[in-house]
Amino acid sequence: EIVLTQSPGTLSLSPGERATLSCRASQSVSSSYLAWYQQKPGQAPRLLIYGASSRATGIPDRFSGSGSGTDFTLTISRLEPEDFAVYYCQQYGGTFGGGTKVEIK
Amino acid sequence: EVQLVESGGGLVQPGRSLRLSCAASGFTFDDYAMHWVRQAPGKGLEWVSGISWNSGSIGYADSVKGRFTISRDNAKNSLYLQMNSLRAEDTALYYCAKDVSSGPFDAFDIWGQGTMVTVSS
Repeated sequence: EIVLTQSPGTLSLSPGERATLSCRASQSVSSSYLAWYQQKPGQAPRLLIYGASSRATGIPDRFSGSGSGTDFTLTISRLEPEDFAVYYCQQYGGTFGGGTKVEIK
Repeated sequence: EVQLVESGGGLVQPGRSLRLSCAASGFTFDDYAMHWVRQAPGKGLEWVSGISWNSGSIGYADSVKGRFTISRDNAKNSLYLQMNSLRAEDTALYYCAKDVSSGPFDAFDIWGQGTMVTVSS
């Protein structure tokens, strides 16, 4: 079973700053079968990125995904107030990472 | 409007059973794989189980294997999760989620609002 480790656990940033979130897999993730989700308090998760780098429908272009093999990154180029949330990576159809909380500094 | 609505959660004693349901609308249900994902209070997301469009491919997390059974009724646009031998650690908000593909398993693009299951004596 592939284990996904996200870092950092918490990221404290100000609006307008760049956020870089990491997701490392214990084994290579086949064909970039890696997704990213955003979850705000009291809400269901929302798909942001699939295939490691493709934005889901309606996702702003300040969100971007990159990486392959065992190392993946979610980048938010300029944080908007609505971007402060918890972010999870996931191997397709299975294991989620532990999450990274992006909080207002 | 694409929508998933879960039901069937509640308070149940350890060792007992519960059946969750998820009603889908706004999309062609039998074109897509479906999943259950849970989230314990204050914790992260845990994939529980998934089922392909025709029930030909089914998967379970090790934590529920042998106790939980996923099924679907395409004629009723519904997904189910039969949960037996429930434990305190099964306490969580259970989400129904739609896969972007027919299966085996891919990313999840539509989520319900969840149904809460509490296992306690």
